[in-house]
Amino acid sequence: ETGVTQTPRHLVMGMTNKKSLKCEQHLGHNAMYWYKQSAKKPLELMFVYSLEERVENNSVPSRFSPECPNSSHLFLHLHTLQPEDSALYLCASSRFGQGASTEAFFGQGTRLTVV
Amino acid sequence: KQEVTQIPAALSVPEGENLVLNCSFTDSAIYNLQWFRQDPGKGLTSLLLIQSSQREQTSGRLNASLDKSSGRSTLYIAASQPGDSATYLCAPEGYQKVTFGIGTKLQVIP
Repeated sequence: ETGVTQTPRHLVMGMTNKKSLKCEQHLGHNAMYWYKQSAKKPLELMFVYSLEERVENNSVPSRFSPECPNSSHLFLHLHTLQPEDSALYLCASSRFGQGASTEAFFGQGTRLTVV
Repeated sequence: KQEVTQIPAALSVPEGENLVLNCSFTDSAIYNLQWFRQDPGKGLTSLLLIQSSQREQTSGRLNASLDKSSGRSTLYIAASQPGDSATYLCAPEGYQKVTFGIGTKLQVIP
């Protein structure tokens, strides 16, 4: 248990569906991240929120839409996905300040399959 | 753009051996470097965090070193155990961005 909780753990969705992934942390961290992990590829950073403001968006397609309503919660809204979006989506959090962050803690991930 | 390389990509050792995992990165302007382990289909577990001002960190049987100027880090695992079998990921952090290597898949054979 890392203190970062992701739900659901598994998700199968059709290309026309809309779904959301949820991430929650109660570690007192002020930065949260979404990563995508595809088979045989390094983790890809998708979005960074620092103090609830999006500070990074790595050219992610608009069919992925993040939301950070407060420092403890992070969502990834999904719509009209493609089969190549099937991957493990990982959420992480850390404490960010003065240009550096503390140790990052990861959730267990959501295994997403797009059919 | 930061690029991270981990060597070897896979490693299989008998139980009890000491081993070294290597990580190299192209941009030495980092704040820290973190080593993680990942079990199949699971999230990442943080093992060690080395700040850019530090040379090494130790936790139990694990020792990580950092040579920021040459863009290298190593993870040393002493007296390996079957429970150490996992993928080990190296992740240097630049300004608001962490870059991951593809990892070293370790198998420790009983």
